[in-house]
Amino acid sequence: AQTVTQSQPEMSVQEAETVTLSCTYDTSESNYYLFWYKQPPSRQMILVIRQEAYKQQNATENRFSVNFQKAAKSFSLKISDSQLGDTAMYFCAFMRSGAQKLVFGQGTRLTINP
Amino acid sequence: KAGVTQTPRYLIKTRGQQVTLSCSPISGHRSVSWYQQTPGQGLQFLFEYFSETQRNKGNFPGRFSGRQFSNSRSEMNVSTLELGDSALYLCASSVEALRDTQYFGPGTRLTVL
Repeated sequence: AQTVTQSQPEMSVQEAETVTLSCTYDTSESNYYLFWYKQPPSRQMILVIRQEAYKQQNATENRFSVNFQKAAKSFSLKISDSQLGDTAMYFCAFMRSGAQKLVFGQGTRLTINP
Repeated sequence: KAGVTQTPRYLIKTRGQQVTLSCSPISGHRSVSWYQQTPGQGLQFLFEYFSETQRNKGNFPGRFSGRQFSNSRSEMNVSTLELGDSALYLCASSVEALRDTQYFGPGTRLTVL
């Protein structure tokens, strides 16, 4: 069974700073996908970024980028130039190839302070 | 394109009752997955439907069931409600392939008294 671990329950940074959220996972699969979702206080789960395990290049989406270390089974999210609207719970999620089933970490509550 | 919609948004039931939640996927999406979110257990996968068939199932008791209609809309049902069923129930849709990204709806907050 796959597990996803987010070791930082809470983080807080000042607006415009850069912040990195950690995620590690455990799997014996070779084909899989990794995601970061954010869940603001409104509860809507929003996709932030997706990474295919077979791709060596780290995914980026505007201010969001990941550091994917396959051998270390690590998948961290970097948010550059953080904004107040980035305040949310951030979930790291794993999906093995061949199954539409996400396995989530426990989440990191990120607060961006003005 | 309209996003995933879930109805109702809030629901209050008492122990022993049953409840049905509804999810309409993004237009063109054929796979619908359901998740339960609680403070204690976090986000847990319930089941996934594709083409009116359950394709994946999580580790939940048989009181939790679902179905999917020919227009890809999905419902989940919980019978004989327990206090521990109080949770946010999230629905997610994806196009169809088993590698597709899931997009979530706003959730239904169920409170069992």
